[in-house]
Amino acid sequence: QVELVQSGAEVKKPGSSVKVSCKASGGTSNNYAFTWVRQAPGEGLEWVGHIIPLFGTPSHAQKFQGRVSISADESTSTAYMDISRLRFDDTAVYYCAIMGGVWESQRFLQHWGQGTLVTVSS
Amino acid sequence: DIQMTQSPSTLSASVGDRVTISCRASHSINSWLAWYQQKPGKAPTLLIYKASTLESGVPSRFSGSGSGTDFTLTISSLQPDDFATYYCQEYNNYPYTFGQGTKLEIK
Repeated sequence: QVELVQSGAEVKKPGSSVKVSCKASGGTSNNYAFTWVRQAPGEGLEWVGHIIPLFGTPSHAQKFQGRVSISADESTSTAYMDISRLRFDDTAVYYCAIMGGVWESQRFLQHWGQGTLVTVSS
Repeated sequence: DIQMTQSPSTLSASVGDRVTISCRASHSINSWLAWYQQKPGKAPTLLIYKASTLESGVPSRFSGSGSGTDFTLTISSLQPDDFATYYCQEYNNYPYTFGQGTKLEIK
């Protein structure tokens, strides 16, 4: 069974950056396809982006253009999400998830991390 | 971007009831739709993918149907553990948009 363990909660000031990590273990393959999803307090789920190391280039939602960087280290089965120029409305729980596979038909979110609360506060 | 609209936003039901949640896409997404369950303070869990395929370990009282733009999640006989929020998500086009959620409450 795949397990995802995320880094701990962060409190950041507006305009600063944060980096959240997500380490996968327990699967039969190292070809994990990582997705990041966020959830603001009391709100629904929002897709941030994903990276499929097998294919290299990450994808992210247009609204995060220029502020979000998603990367992965295949040697440690760890994904990272870096958000720069933080705003108050970036306050949210950020989840990483593993997709069912790397192909388009498999990009549902099969395994989830425990979530990382990022609070942006002055 | 594709818009995903769930209805209703809130649903009150009793143990043993049969309930249906709808999810409508603004454009065809073929069958690339997933359903998730989320309980307060917890990460979501996958229930159904490819519109109607039950994830391993998910009780058979959950089922999904639909294709194109209209989809449904059905719980055949509600159990106490099923009271939660449910989300649909399309994975046909970037960004892989979620519906706004349906909160299933105890009547």
